Amino acid sequence: DIQMTQSPSSLSASVGDRVTITCRASQGISNFLAWFQQKPGKAPKSLIYAASSLQSGVPSKFSGSGSGTDFTLTISSLQPEDFATYYCQQYKTYPLTFGGGTKVEIK
Amino acid sequence: QVQLVESGGGVVQPGGSLRLSCAASGFTFSRYGMHWVRQAPGKGLEWVAVMRYDGRNIYYADSVKGRFTISRDNSKNTLYLQMNSLRAEDTAVYYCARQITPYGDYPDFDYWGQGTLVTVSS
Repeated sequence: DIQMTQSPSSLSASVGDRVTITCRASQGISNFLAWFQQKPGKAPKSLIYAASSLQSGVPSKFSGSGSGTDFTLTISSLQPEDFATYYCQQYKTYPLTFGGGTKVEIK
Repeated sequence: QVQLVESGGGVVQPGGSLRLSCAASGFTFSRYGMHWVRQAPGKGLEWVAVMRYDGRNIYYADSVKGRFTISRDNSKNTLYLQMNSLRAEDTAVYYCARQITPYGDYPDFDYWGQGTLVTVSS
């Protein structure tokens, strides 16, 4: 199975900050990488697929980059509604696997 | 608008069975691959199973293989997950999710349901 490692596992940031989350795959996955946002008690929301393509309706403050084994999710200017847990996921091969999550908290 | 509504969760004893449903609306269900993903309380996301739009190409996580069965009824726009021989570690919120592209082979998600809670406890 492909292991997905996210870092950091949590971070504290202020409104307006630029935030970057990293995801590393245990083997190359090309660009078969997605990012999800989850708020407490809610279902995950799809943000990005194919490493850098924004899902319909997702604001452009979210961006993704990377290929192979190393990927990043960037939030350009953190807003109150962005405080949540973020997960990466590889879909190159089955079983699909998720990273452990990064909790973004208010500083 | 696309909607996915899970149902069928509840409390079941270890060794018991449960069938989850995911009712789809707002799109042509028969054209999309569908997945089940679960989340144990306070934990991360775990992919469970997938079925292609035509009922073929079924895959399972090792943790549920041989105990869970994914199926779909395209005439009823509904995805199912039959869960047998349930264990305490199967306790989780179960989500269904849709693949992005109609007739697509890539297992990328766009829409998720709101989830249904399964609790395995004596």
